[in-house]
Amino acid sequence: GAGVSQSPRYKVAKRGQDVALRCDPISGHVSLFWYQQALGQGPEFLTYFQNEAQLDKSGLPSDRFFAERPEGSVSTLKIQRTQQEDSAVYLCASSPSHGGEKLFFGSGTQLSVL
Amino acid sequence: AQSVTQPDIHITVSEGASLELRCNYSYGATPYLFWYVQSPGQGLQLLLKYFSGDTLVQGIKGFEAEFKRSQSSFNLRKPSVHWSDAAEYFCAVADITGGGNKLTFGTGTQLKVEL
Repeated sequence: GAGVSQSPRYKVAKRGQDVALRCDPISGHVSLFWYQQALGQGPEFLTYFQNEAQLDKSGLPSDRFFAERPEGSVSTLKIQRTQQEDSAVYLCASSPSHGGEKLFFGSGTQLSVL
Repeated sequence: AQSVTQPDIHITVSEGASLELRCNYSYGATPYLFWYVQSPGQGLQLLLKYFSGDTLVQGIKGFEAEFKRSQSSFNLRKPSVHWSDAAEYFCAVADITGGGNKLTFGTGTQLKVEL
């Protein structure tokens, strides 16, 4: 596709459910980032991949959050036992360079935990 | 740790008027600075970035920003605002120590344009 694609666009989960959010980066992009954007806030870094290697996961809020990019392309962010505080927009971004000097963002997945 | 402050939560300007959005950063070394724009329901789009060199950088859509080290600022400007510029604007600073440009964003400034 022409841009970064994220699915689903909206996700409603009951507290305690597991969810999986998908990101299809621009083809050939080396770097992939996940950000969390709470209502009225700026995006906050979660994790960073260079190809299939997860080089930085310092932003993941708890061990309920897990991300993978097994073949260096599509990435999945999984949240186990969702809590209300997990409600946010989850943004994926990719970059053609290792450093990510220019990020291309997807439209995000809006997660609501009831 | 790096941080970004955008002091104005909301700004309203008339179409055709000039615009300046403020951004102050805190970072120990030479900063990599960015401005992104986010329209409702859309992802963020890069307007411009500063890495080094000329402190006045030009971006897309007629925007420019000036890096002022003495003031730790990176304010975004546009001489004449168009109604389509209404959106939320985020300033960000990159932490390059981890090998990737992990961005720290400000809380954003919501721009409203009056016709």
